[in-house]
Amino acid sequence: QTVVTQEPSFSVSPGGTVTLTCGLSSGSVSTSYYPSWYQQTPGQAPRTLIYSTNTRSSGVPDRFSGSILGNKAALTITGAQADDESDYYCVLYMGSGISVFGTGTKVTVL
Amino acid sequence: EVQLVQSGAEVKKPGESLKISCKGSGYSFTSYWIGWVRQMPGKGLEWMGIIYPGDSDTRYSPSFQGQVTISADKSISTAYLQWSSLKASDTAMYYCATILVPNWYFDLWGRGTLVTVSS
Repeated sequence: QTVVTQEPSFSVSPGGTVTLTCGLSSGSVSTSYYPSWYQQTPGQAPRTLIYSTNTRSSGVPDRFSGSILGNKAALTITGAQADDESDYYCVLYMGSGISVFGTGTKVTVL
Repeated sequence: EVQLVQSGAEVKKPGESLKISCKGSGYSFTSYWIGWVRQMPGKGLEWMGIIYPGDSDTRYSPSFQGQVTISADKSISTAYLQWSSLKASDTAMYYCATILVPNWYFDLWGRGTLVTVSS
């Protein structure tokens, strides 16, 4: 079974920049996997941030950006704010309608 | 208002059956895939499966194939997730969400249904 890997945790200072990645247990992530990114705070439903690698969902601040870095998808937060402290998940599309969530990254802003 | 409204929290015993729902409104229900996502207590999000209400085409993650059934009733704009025999390990929050193609991403989310299975 395909495993989609993310860093377990990151810490970033207010105003700082952090880049989270989303990789495959075997193989490289490309735009063909339509990487998407979701933010979840405790007790809340997920919120869609980025889809199709680098398109921001409606209402998402431009401090969130998506890209492909090397062989992984990436989510960069530029100018981190306190309310960016959340769990972040990527999703990769595997084909035939099936997708897989990444393992998730907990981001702490301090 | 465009929204997905999920059914309320459930408390069940092992071995019981359950069907939870996700009702769409404010958009063309039959034109968008709906997916189900599991989140076990303190754990990450898991992609379970999706359904296209227009023709009930259904796809399952290999991890959930045979464990749950996804269905939809387009006449009442509602998708369902059901279990025939619950286990304690089914205790989780379950989210539904619309999926937009061709980019295959979750767009509109429900607030979740908490399912607790305990003897």
